Formats: sequence, structure tokens, C-alpha cells
Amino acid sequence: DVKVTQSSRYLVKRTGEKVFLECVQDMDHENMFWYRQDPGLGLRLIYFSYDVKMKEKGDIPEGYSVSREKKERFSLILESASTNQTSMYLCASSLTANYGYTFGSGTRLTVV
Amino acid sequence: AQSVTQPDIHITVSEGASLELRCNYSYGATPYLFWYVQSPGQGLQLLLKYFSGDTLVQGIKGFEAEFKRSQSSFNLRKPSVHWSDAAEYFCAVGDLFGNEKLTFGTGTRLTIIP
Repeated sequence: DVKVTQSSRYLVKRTGEKVFLECVQDMDHENMFWYRQDPGLGLRLIYFSYDVKMKEKGDIPEGYSVSREKKERFSLILESASTNQTSMYLCASSLTANYGYTFGSGTRLTVV
Repeated sequence: AQSVTQPDIHITVSEGASLELRCNYSYGATPYLFWYVQSPGQGLQLLLKYFSGDTLVQGIKGFEAEFKRSQSSFNLRKPSVHWSDAAEYFCAVGDLFGNEKLTFGTGTRLTIIP
């Protein structure tokens, strides 16, 4: 089975800190995604990547950036964390869209 | 642009009763359609998917879904729910022509009562 691993289950960070959320997949998938999940809003796409060093903005990229230096790793960066970025962050990967996504367990980030 | 509507925010069902969760999508052609389940504090797990062929698809954990093009719907069903089915369920639609993004609905939370 494909495994998508997010490095932290829970994080607490201070306002203004630079935050790195790491995601690693072990099945050589081309596509990787970062979503945030908030009650009543479902999953909203932040950024995605089709290949190494390739990235595209999703629906809510403001305040975030990403890095994909290796195929298996896709990092989400909060340049200057703010309280409105408190959320559950979900990483996913896919071979192609028709196979669906495999998700990590999520990182619950609290910014204080 | 594609979109997904899950009209029920929260559903409560008795254990052993049947279940139907609604999903309506908006898309110009034949979409890819998915149902995912999320247990508390966990990521999402794929239950089933549709992209062609038989409009009734079977998934894991005894779930099935039926694609109805005329109604733009992809409702999830289970004939008899178990307490372990309590979770949040998400419907998603994908783009058939090269765009790898999935668009998710806002989810339906399922509560099971004894």
C-alpha cells in the first residue's frame, strides 16, 4: 500500500514564526497536494505539484509556499504564521487523478 | 469549474438501519467521482470511485454508490450501518481531461446511535 507520511500530528507555533510541514510518499507518485480542512468548509486546495520543482497554486495559496526538491517529498511553508492559519493540514499523493488520492494522517496546527 | 454539493451537514442513523448520503456535482462532461471517509483525527480513506462503466460501484466496508447522470448525483449507500461507520464522509469530483485536481464537498458527519 502507498504510504503518505506527515512528519507531525500536532504542532503549536507562535504568530510570526516560519513553519514547515513535511510530507513524504513512498510510491513514486508524480502528483502531490496540500489541503487545509476547516469545519464547514471541507477540504480546500492550497498548492499542488505535478513533478519535482513544479508547483501550482490551488484555491487558497495566500500566506503559503511549497517546495518539492525530491519526488517523494513535498513541503508546505507558512512564511509568517498567523492565527487564521490554525487548521488541519492534509497532504495527499496520486499516480493519476482517476486512481484517487492517498492521504496522510494530517497535521493539526495551532498558531497562538 | 467543477463543484460538489453535499446537502446534509450531519446525519444520525440507528445501528442496523440503512444509510444514504447525498452528493451532487457540477461538471461539463463525465467526471471522475469518489467517496472518502475520515475517522476522527485521521486522514481520508478512499471508499470507492467511478469513472466509467457500470453506474453502480461497490467499495470497501460494504458501501456502494450509484452514478446518475440525469440527476448529476453520486449518492453513497449502505444497507445496514455499524457503530464503526461513524465518521465524516466526503464526496469528490475530478477532471477527466488532464487536470489532476480533485474538488471536495464540505462533508457529511455521520452519527450512529445504538
